[in-house]
Amino acid sequence: GAVVSQHPSWVICKSGTSVKIECRSLDFQATTMFWYRQFPKQSLMLMATSNEGSKATYEQGVEKDKFLINHASLTLSTLTVTSAHPEDSSFYICSAQPAGVNTEAFFGQGTRLTVV
Amino acid sequence: AQKVTQAQTEISVVEKEDVTLDCVYETRDTTYYLFWYKQPPSGELVFLIRRNSFDEQNEISGRYSWNFQKSTSSFNFTITASQVVDSAVYFCALSGADNYGQNFVFGPGTRLSVLP
Repeated sequence: GAVVSQHPSWVICKSGTSVKIECRSLDFQATTMFWYRQFPKQSLMLMATSNEGSKATYEQGVEKDKFLINHASLTLSTLTVTSAHPEDSSFYICSAQPAGVNTEAFFGQGTRLTVV
Repeated sequence: AQKVTQAQTEISVVEKEDVTLDCVYETRDTTYYLFWYKQPPSGELVFLIRRNSFDEQNEISGRYSWNFQKSTSSFNFTITASQVVDSAVYFCALSGADNYGQNFVFGPGTRLSVLP
């Protein structure tokens, strides 16, 4: 099946710094990618839809100035957590699907962010 | 609005027992997709099944089987002869037909522990 790769798998950063997470579709092009957040022992919640070449669409309650999304190419979307705080500590996971193909979405392996 | 309910927060069984994980969904869409994902402790999401709303056939894949009942809006998942490696959190998810069903609403998850 198609492969979606996230980098890094885990990251620890200090409060106030910014962290960038990459989501790459390795063997297919994806015009749309999705970013989810999962707090410990909770479900996955959609944060935003990343659209290649245009602005991301954010879900209600998600601060777009804090969670910057860039989808500059058909194989790469990035999520930057700006001015991170301990409450941003979470598991972030992306998904993507080959453009125009009716298949299931493929998820990255996730990034565990810890803000200290 | 779309919603997925997994009433069982945690289930513990002894190896070789059968176990059924319940999933009830709500949607106003006539076309939608239902999914089951497994999330082991490492965090990645493992795709198990995708079913569209027009296909009510039950499915069996090895020790796994799924019962889709549109009349009760349920999509239950049964593991036969459970094994310790089945221990994980299992998520049921729902998606509309946009983008071939990429935009997921996840249930809260059921944590399955299979004891030796």
